[in-house]
Amino acid sequence: AQTVTQSQPEMSVQEAETVTLSCTYDTSESDYYLFWYKQPPSRQMILVIRQEAYKQQNATENRFSVNFQKAAKSFSLKISDSQLGDAAMYFCAYDGNTSGTYKYIFGTGTRLKVLA
Amino acid sequence: DAGVTQSPTHLIKTRGQQVTLRCSPKSGHDTVSWYQQALGQGPQFIFQYYEEEERQRGNFPDRFSGHQFPNYSSELNVNALLLGDSALYLCASLGVGRSTDTQYFGPGTRLTVL
Repeated sequence: AQTVTQSQPEMSVQEAETVTLSCTYDTSESDYYLFWYKQPPSRQMILVIRQEAYKQQNATENRFSVNFQKAAKSFSLKISDSQLGDAAMYFCAYDGNTSGTYKYIFGTGTRLKVLA
Repeated sequence: DAGVTQSPTHLIKTRGQQVTLRCSPKSGHDTVSWYQQALGQGPQFIFQYYEEEERQRGNFPDRFSGHQFPNYSSELNVNALLLGDSALYLCASLGVGRSTDTQYFGPGTRLTVL
């Protein structure tokens, strides 16, 4: 069975600095998708960034980028120029997509605090 | 463009009761998934509906059931509520034909079982 592990329950970063959140996963599939979602106190999950496993190039969305290491099964999120609005829970998610359905497996999350 | 909506926002029930949660998918989406998020945890997949049928189910007992209507909206029903059912219930929708795997989440329903 696939698993997703986020080993950092909480991280802190100074405003305008850079922080990296870690995520590892376990799977025997070769085709899959990985996501980072942000969940602020308002509770709504917001997509931050998405990576397709067959693409070697790391995904980037403005201040957010990933370091995808397929062989190591690692998928870390880098947030540059951190802003107070980045404070939230961040969840890493895996989607195997091999059975024709779309079922996310989430990690336990990392709480990010941004210090002014 | 309306996003995923869920109702109610909060709900308080007592043990043994039954509850129904509702979800309207994002415009143009035909697939709805339900997740349970216990406090301090990541969401856990409950089940997914497509073309009014349950397509896949997570590791949840039969007390959890659902339905999808012709307009793609969905309901989650939980019978014989237990204290452990207290959680945030998230609905997520997916695009027509599932040409993209990205799911869009609603704001959730907070269920408290006393």
